[in-house]
Amino acid sequence: EAGVTQFPSHSVIEKGQTVTLRCDPISGHDNLYWYRRVMGKEIKFLLHFVKESKQDESGMPNNRFLAERTGGTYSTLKVQPAELEDSGVYFCASSRPPGVYNEQFFGPGTRLTVL
Amino acid sequence: AQRVTQPEKLLSVFKGAPVELKCNYSYSGSPELFWYVQYSRQRLQLLLRHISRESIKGFTADLNKGETSFHLKKPFAQEEDSAMYYCALRRPGNTGKLIFGQGTTLQVKP
Repeated sequence: EAGVTQFPSHSVIEKGQTVTLRCDPISGHDNLYWYRRVMGKEIKFLLHFVKESKQDESGMPNNRFLAERTGGTYSTLKVQPAELEDSGVYFCASSRPPGVYNEQFFGPGTRLTVL
Repeated sequence: AQRVTQPEKLLSVFKGAPVELKCNYSYSGSPELFWYVQYSRQRLQLLLRHISRESIKGFTADLNKGETSFHLKKPFAQEEDSAMYYCALRRPGNTGKLIFGQGTTLQVKP
């Protein structure tokens, strides 16, 4: 079975630009999560989708971040406009239905650098 | 608020030596605790969870509610154990989000 995939693997942009990260979960996984690790700090939760619905977006840092999951399949995370402090590694994870106590499988991450 | 603390950023041991990666948490109820590992150039993966009470790759971790700890142990470290280890907490009945510690890099020297 293919694992969680993320695109791009790296992105370097200038402050003020827009970047869109994509995550393709494992097929059949209703739960999709976004996390990020800012340099030197812990991995922090951003938000959780169940199918196409946002279950918990308590970790989203501000309204420059917009996450979508159209049709309950892949998800995108857009940062607009990007700021220097947005640099870090963005991870996506997915897990099976029906509940939330299943193992979360992580993607390889997208390394975002904002100059 | 829920919090996970891994006091050591780096733990360096020789091959064959015992290893203990420390993890303390703050949570008022009964959380689910996990250890995740990230080997070089690989993705983050689940190593073990406390409810399974199993040993994976020789590692074990016991949940100590009195000390609010979930330390990861291995009696004899191997070079292939070198990696970044993250302790994580999840609240029962929560959305399933994981709360991670800062991570500990384990370096096993030959």
